Amino acid sequence: GENVEQHPSTLSVQEGDSAVIKCTYSDSASNYFPWYKQELGKGPQLIIDIRSNVGEKKDQRIAVTLNKTAKHFSLHITETQPEDSAVYFCAAFNNDMRFGAGTRLTVKP
Amino acid sequence: DGGITQSPKYLFRKEGQNVTLSCEQNLNHDAMYWYRQDPGQGLRLIYYSQIVNDFQKGDIAEGYSVSREKKESFPLTVTSAQKNPTAFYLCASSRTGDRQPQHFGDGTRLSIL
Repeated sequence: GENVEQHPSTLSVQEGDSAVIKCTYSDSASNYFPWYKQELGKGPQLIIDIRSNVGEKKDQRIAVTLNKTAKHFSLHITETQPEDSAVYFCAAFNNDMRFGAGTRLTVKP
Repeated sequence: DGGITQSPKYLFRKEGQNVTLSCEQNLNHDAMYWYRQDPGQGLRLIYYSQIVNDFQKGDIAEGYSVSREKKESFPLTVTSAQKNPTAFYLCASSRTGDRQPQHFGDGTRLSIL
């Protein structure tokens, strides 16, 4: 079955810097890759997603890139703000959704 | 505002006791899901339901049971057969039964007394 690995597990950046979180997946048939943001004590919130027929997608300060050949995808957050601090999860879908273990992002003011 | 409501936020279980976690949605979504979240791990699917009166086991269904009598409601029962129930439980939904959760509730944290 699908296995999703996410790195790093923790990430600390200065406000205004960029943050990059990377995920790799094992099933080449996976075709949908969402990213979720989970704030403390809350449920995950879908923030951006990409399908396998697209290489990059942007939404304001966040972007996701997909490299199907290498089987990895990344979340990019530019101009980080303290309110971006949260745990971010990637996932890969092929009949079932498989989640990464999460990255705890801390943005220091 | 539409969304998913989970209750209670915190729940304690005694040995040999069954407990039920509530999940209600007003998004008019067909599909609903239950996930378990443990520290340092990805979400794991317990059960999902694509339509009313139908549900399927996920990866870790043992020790859990569900029902889907109404479109809006998908309660999860953690039975005494679940030997390690301490976790954060998340309910989710999606517009169709595509097994791609779109909206999550804010979770219930279950602990053992």
